[in-house]
Amino acid sequence: DAGITQSPRYKITETGRQVTLMCHQTWSHSYMFWYRQDLGHGLRLIYYSAAADITDKGEVPDGYVVSRSKTENFPLTLESATRSQTSVYFCASIGGDYGYTFGSGTRLTVV
Amino acid sequence: AQKITQTQPGMFVQEKEAVTLDCTYDTSDPSYGLFWYKQPSSGEMIFLIYQGSYDQQNATEGRYSLNFQKARKSANLVISASQLGDSAMYFCAMREGLANTGFQKLVFGTGTRLLVSP
Repeated sequence: DAGITQSPRYKITETGRQVTLMCHQTWSHSYMFWYRQDLGHGLRLIYYSAAADITDKGEVPDGYVVSRSKTENFPLTLESATRSQTSVYFCASIGGDYGYTFGSGTRLTVV
Repeated sequence: AQKITQTQPGMFVQEKEAVTLDCTYDTSDPSYGLFWYKQPSSGEMIFLIYQGSYDQQNATEGRYSLNFQKARKSANLVISASQLGDSAMYFCAMREGLANTGFQKLVFGTGTRLLVSP
């Protein structure tokens, strides 16, 4: 099916572990984004990418790393997970009528 | 400074009544776009309606309309004839760009939780 696929849907990890959240789009949208959603904050931009091999920081990038070797994939890595990174993570791309299509989200719990 | 402000953490409405969810924004960019998204308990972000800063008329999509008051920098969502399935979190967002890059990101408000009662 066309769209944005995020995996895993749910993840529990321990403090200090590295974890990677995957995002895959079936279009060829140039721009892709990672947001985190926390109660009282809405969605905040972590990183974005304008094209393959072009990435830049958003509002809350600390503790996260991204890469984009292929247009369709935009993984987000937590190098050493902390409890403050417990959140719901959304991947998005610009496309469609008004631009923005979101994945279904990944609920990450760091224990 | 908060770019998108949603002052209503929660709203209650009875089924079949209309409800207005407030959103104010702050930008110095003459070209911008305003969005409303619905997030049901299942968690996905569902696009509802869009208003461009140069659009002359208020946007409408079925039971959703956007009350756009540019001078006041407000973009309130109006849901007419509320249904039980409208119970969800609603986010206002603004598209803003970086000059000369063509890049535009969405900035979100903190959301309003709407509960529709029978």
